[in-house]
Amino acid sequence: QSALTQPASVSGSPGQSITISCTGTSSDVGTYNLVSWYQQHPGKAPKLRIYEGSKRPSGVSNRFSGSKSGNTASLTISGLQAEDEADYYCCSYAGSSLWVFGGGTKVTVL
Amino acid sequence: QITLKESGPTLVKPTQTLTLTCTFSGFSLSTSGVGVGWIRQPPGKALEWLALRYWGDDKRYNPSLKSRLTITEGTSNNQVVLTMTNMDPVDTATYYCAHFIVGEGYFDYWGQGTLVTVSS
Repeated sequence: QSALTQPASVSGSPGQSITISCTGTSSDVGTYNLVSWYQQHPGKAPKLRIYEGSKRPSGVSNRFSGSKSGNTASLTISGLQAEDEADYYCCSYAGSSLWVFGGGTKVTVL
Repeated sequence: QITLKESGPTLVKPTQTLTLTCTFSGFSLSTSGVGVGWIRQPPGKALEWLALRYWGDDKRYNPSLKSRLTITEGTSNNQVVLTMTNMDPVDTATYYCAHFIVGEGYFDYWGQGTLVTVSS
């Protein structure tokens, strides 16, 4: 069970769209549609943004969207805003009731 | 309203055992489909899933740490206790507990986290 692979950093200008990838294997992301995404501001606890790959919890902006292709899940933030600057983590089911997080991506709003 | 809060020592010595308590409200671990998870984050590093207590008392552990981790119930039925043995400086991290929805697989409510430093 290895950590999912995310880019260390992604940046974009206000109003633009960015996409964060989360690459796993056929033992986790590729087989199960149980990928969740979390946003974490400095010094704060993570907050859920997407679950089951593409579903948004109540109250989460529709600027956040998720998708999956093969062994890679993606989080897209559209209409980038200053408040979106944070760290983002993916998490996937890995079988046998086990879970694995990604290495995290720092999003910078230019 | 669901809330969770971690408590325990802020400083432990190498080789000691860490015991953290997650005290929660707004839900019951007797309810089918819920769980309480433990996740940690070393300073400046990524989140790492440690363990999950599912409803019905099923427990799962990160395979890389399984030999050192134990989840038990606390002194009341709204507590989950995580024990980690043989602590090392690399275990210095903020430890979070979180409410977990089993069917859809996500952590929707998190505690504020507690920073545990391992140092002699």
